[in-house]
Amino acid sequence: VQLVQSGAEVKKPGESLRISCKGSGYTFTTYWISWVRQMPGKGLEWMGRIDPGDSYTNYSPSFQGHVTISVDKSISTAYLQWSSLKASDTAMYYCASDVFDSHAFDIWGQGTMVTVSP
Amino acid sequence: EIVLTQSPGTLSLSPGERATLSCRASQSVSTTYLAWYQQKPGQAPRLLIFGASSRATGIPDRFRGSGSGTDFTLTISRLEPEDFAVYYCQQYGSSSTFGQGTRLEIK
Repeated sequence: VQLVQSGAEVKKPGESLRISCKGSGYTFTTYWISWVRQMPGKGLEWMGRIDPGDSYTNYSPSFQGHVTISVDKSISTAYLQWSSLKASDTAMYYCASDVFDSHAFDIWGQGTMVTVSP
Repeated sequence: EIVLTQSPGTLSLSPGERATLSCRASQSVSTTYLAWYQQKPGQAPRLLIFGASSRATGIPDRFRGSGSGTDFTLTISRLEPEDFAVYYCQQYGSSSTFGQGTRLEIK
């Protein structure tokens, strides 16, 4: 049972980006996938989540309208997308899920570092 | 949005001592949806406690979660060298938020 994320990205301000999180070893469509941001030296921030079964999304007010969470259940992969990156988007991004019915994040991806710099 | 406030921000203790970490919510949180995580440098967070008091798989029994309503506590009974890390509480219901974290450092 694991979540595997795409590799580190270096982008310029204004560019678009999509990072991915692939689930394996469990029924992907059963459990919500969340995305969590961690800015350098800072704490964890929940961004939002998606139900892979029906693509229903739920965003934190802090991130609503700034990112888009989507899923392709045919390949058991969730995505986090930006249409226009800012330097302040520089952070580590984790996907996480509660596949063991803990009502908590019992599995995490390894993280994707996104660096936005001119 | 439920705000979780953790205290203290930093806790300096020695191996073998007892650590008590607090998490206070701005409104009542069901115990079902209160969790604690440990994060070490360069690593993803790891689930320690779910349902306010249930240990996740493989978590030693020196870690204990307690509390209800708006006040929750993570207690580490006898600190081991590997326990020095950052700890976060989280509520996860229809939405989710994390506390700002408590850094547990070696005195």
